[in-house]
Amino acid sequence: NAGVTQTPKFRVLKTGQSMTLLCAQDMNHEYMYWYRQDPGMGLRLIHYSVGEGTTAKGEVPDGYNVSRLKKQNFLLGLESAAPSQTSVYFCASSWLYEQYFGPGTRLTVT
Amino acid sequence: QQQVKQSPQSLIVQKGGISIINCAYENTAFDYFPWYQQFPGKGPALLIAIRPDVSEKKEGRFTISFNKSAKQFSLHIMDSQPGDSATYFCAAKGNNDMRFGAGTRLTVKP
Repeated sequence: NAGVTQTPKFRVLKTGQSMTLLCAQDMNHEYMYWYRQDPGMGLRLIHYSVGEGTTAKGEVPDGYNVSRLKKQNFLLGLESAAPSQTSVYFCASSWLYEQYFGPGTRLTVT
Repeated sequence: QQQVKQSPQSLIVQKGGISIINCAYENTAFDYFPWYQQFPGKGPALLIAIRPDVSEKKEGRFTISFNKSAKQFSLHIMDSQPGDSATYFCAAKGNNDMRFGAGTRLTVKP
């Protein structure tokens, strides 16, 4: 039982490049979330999903897209990376309230 | 604007002392108030949580005090240990939207 896993762990992008972050959970949770963590700002919700095939915007959705084609996977895409997207990205999943977080992806955009 | 305000930003206590971290929220629709603990390089992990129908919840050395009328809640760590040194985040959840405080870096000195 791996819980929530994220790939990759680290990535460096040049401005304008695109990439996809993958989140997988093996707990059969309905809800999945993508957050970004920046110093002094806590975690901010980017997008979330309440079930397979559904997605919704969170607090800071601009510049990101997501897809939930399978219940266990939640993908976060950056179509044209910007330096402002340099951050640590966390995925989480839950049944209702308690969220389980992955180990994070550290992304640097130069 | 930040919907959950957390203080202090950093806290240093001696081993055996009491650590107190405070949070205030604005949105009265929030109905779940968790505290997360995060060690460097790891994802946040749920420590303890409370619903607004109770004023206090205790689990081992960790206690949440909740004041609904003041829209404030706090985390108390009794008999603080060096292993408690981490960053602590309060959060508040309403519907599918979890809002986090900015975090408190706790250092417990031996």
